[in-house]
Amino acid sequence: EVQLLESGGGLVQPGGSLRLSCAASGFSFSSYAMTWVRQAPGKGLEWVSGITGFGSGHYADSVKGRFTISRDNSKNTVYLQLNSLTAEDTAIYYCARPYSNSYFDHWGQGTLVTVSS
Amino acid sequence: EIVLTQSPDFQSVTPKENVTITCRASQSIGANLHWYQQKPDQSPKLLIKYASQSISGVPSRFSGSGSGTDFTLTINSLEAEDAAAYYCHQSGTLPQTFGQGTKVEIK
Repeated sequence: EVQLLESGGGLVQPGGSLRLSCAASGFSFSSYAMTWVRQAPGKGLEWVSGITGFGSGHYADSVKGRFTISRDNSKNTVYLQLNSLTAEDTAIYYCARPYSNSYFDHWGQGTLVTVSS
Repeated sequence: EIVLTQSPDFQSVTPKENVTITCRASQSIGANLHWYQQKPDQSPKLLIKYASQSISGVPSRFSGSGSGTDFTLTINSLEAEDAAAYYCHQSGTLPQTFGQGTKVEIK
C-alpha cells in the first residue's frame, strides 16, 4: 500500500525557515517524481514544486528562489526547504505522487505551516 | 503559465440531479487534464485522469470529457456523499496548475 507521511510543519515567524519532510513507502520511490501542493486556509490547491527521480527540481513562480525541493532515495523521503516565509505561505502542504509525471494518484494527509508573529 | 478557469464556483444541488462542472484552459493542453474531489478536512482524491479515463474504485456516476481547452466533469445522479470541492489540474506544462475549484453543496 502506498503511503505518504508529511511532517515538519508548525508556527514560524515571518522571514523564518522550515523544512518539511515526506516519508514514502509501498512503492519504488526512486522511480517516481514527487510533488508538493499547498492549500491556504479556505482556498484552492496550488502546485508548489516537483522533483524528478534523478533530483531535478521545478518551482512555482511564487516560491522560486525561496523554496528548495530535494530527495534522499536511500531514505525514501522528499524534502521542501522553506525560507524567507511570509503570511502568504500559510497553508497545508501536501506531498503527492505523480504517476508517470502526470496525475497525482496518491496524497499525504498534509502538514500545516503557519507564518505569523 | 496555463490558467485553468472552472465554472461555476459554487453549485447547490438536490440529490439525484446531474451536475456539470467545466474547466477551460488558457491554451491547449491536449488531454493532460485530471479531476480531483476534496471533502472537508481530507486530502484530495483522484477522480478522472487524462480528461476522460476512469479510476478504479471511483463510482461510475463520475465521468469526464473534453480535450484541448475545454473539459467537463459530470456527476450523474448526485448522492449526498458527493458534497465536496472539485478541482481540475493540468500536468502538460510547467508550472502545473489547478483550477480555482467548484464547491458542490447538497440541498
